[in-house]
Amino acid sequence: IHLTQSPSLLSASVGDKVTITCRASQGIGRHLAWYQQRAGTAPKALIYGASTLQTGVPSRFSGSGSGTEFTLTISSLQPEDFATYHCQQIDDYPYTFGQGTKLEIK
Amino acid sequence: QITLKESGPALVKPTQTLMLTCTFSGFSLTTRGVGVGWIRQPPGKALEWLALIYWDDDKRYSPSLESRLTITRDISKNQVVLRMTNMDPVDTATFYCAHFLLWSAYFDFWGPGTPVTVSS
Repeated sequence: IHLTQSPSLLSASVGDKVTITCRASQGIGRHLAWYQQRAGTAPKALIYGASTLQTGVPSRFSGSGSGTEFTLTISSLQPEDFATYHCQQIDDYPYTFGQGTKLEIK
Repeated sequence: QITLKESGPALVKPTQTLMLTCTFSGFSLTTRGVGVGWIRQPPGKALEWLALIYWDDDKRYSPSLESRLTITRDISKNQVVLRMTNMDPVDTATFYCAHFLLWSAYFDFWGPGTPVTVSS
């Protein structure tokens, strides 16, 4: 299953609302997770089951979608949110990742 | 709390076999629904899922690398080992191990990663 994230690069400012899209090459139900990866560190889980927030993740993060189209939304960007975001499908092996979306400061 | 840490050589030569160890704490790999997976990330590139081992010793591999990968566990040591044969410079990457919950279906805790360079 191939995952395509868009955009690959997103420039935004603190306080902005941003949305990242992840499209699957075939239906995956709601078996999608989102991860945040700050430069030089390991990925950190944000959302699983397409829309369930991992414990401790701020409520400004939200996920939605099912089937082949999913979105990650950050309602009001904070300085610590500038990072790379990855989606992953956990519907069928191999558990593929998207190519990543880098969120940078405008 | 759940922690994982990867260890292994930082440098391997082409054609050599890479052995990486994931040492974990805060959970048991005998608990139903639990797994440990390996993921790699070449410099500046995307994450790539490699392998996963479950509480019942079921093992899953990336089809593109399956012939080169072996994942095993040592319950007594709380360790998972990934063996990757015939290393090539294109395999240069940071390798991560992560805790997986089958019921939630995601990698909820990750190790810090270990960088591996393949070069003669």
